Amino acid sequence: QKEVEQDPGPLSVPEGAIVSLNCTYSNSAFQYFMWYRQYSRKGPELLMYTYSSGNKEDGRFTAQVDKSSKYISLFIRDSQPSDSATYLCAMSARYSSASKIIFGSGTRLSIRP
Amino acid sequence: DTAVSQTPKYLVTQMGNDKSIKCEQNLGHDTMYWYKQDSKKFLKIMFSYNNKELIINETVPNRFSPKSPDKAHLNLHINSLELGDSAVYFCASSARGVRSVSGNTIYFGEGSWLTVV
Repeated sequence: QKEVEQDPGPLSVPEGAIVSLNCTYSNSAFQYFMWYRQYSRKGPELLMYTYSSGNKEDGRFTAQVDKSSKYISLFIRDSQPSDSATYLCAMSARYSSASKIIFGSGTRLSIRP
Repeated sequence: DTAVSQTPKYLVTQMGNDKSIKCEQNLGHDTMYWYKQDSKKFLKIMFSYNNKELIINETVPNRFSPKSPDKAHLNLHINSLELGDSAVYFCASSARGVRSVSGNTIYFGEGSWLTVV
């Protein structure tokens, strides 16, 4: 079993829809959870970062962590065509270095105008 | 200003050749990385350099050799290229490569698309 599982998609939704992207993980030591966005032919860029359980909101984006279920989500409200990208979840244990961050394989998202 | 820049962006080469990818960061970070992203989009760390010292090597073949002339540069040299080396290689950097209570933000370059034919 991979440490981090992510549905590769592709996921296609109409503009304005609410998007839900998810990852599951197996390592209970993970406490830092990140979402990266990767546009086509570009490098990943950090979108959101959360620690432990709970929700974090940033504009149209909400990151949610459920440690009891080992499940994290990224919600995008009022989705825009510019949100079309691959979204990678990433996570690491507390006190671990950045070199120990484990990435999901990414979900390709397409927002239809 | 590009924070992490790498060249070339695209590289097509024949099996058996030797090639290098260069990387520079202007963020003042202490730690730089090389990641490989395969066709299924899995990002896997290859090397990590902290203040010019190699601190991790994740079972990468020794045909791959990172070279860091200073903490702002981390180049990747690949000998005897094989078909399976075709992938996207990302250079990245972060402010703190060792233990951090708040995690680290990794800044990625735009990638180098390597195709071995």
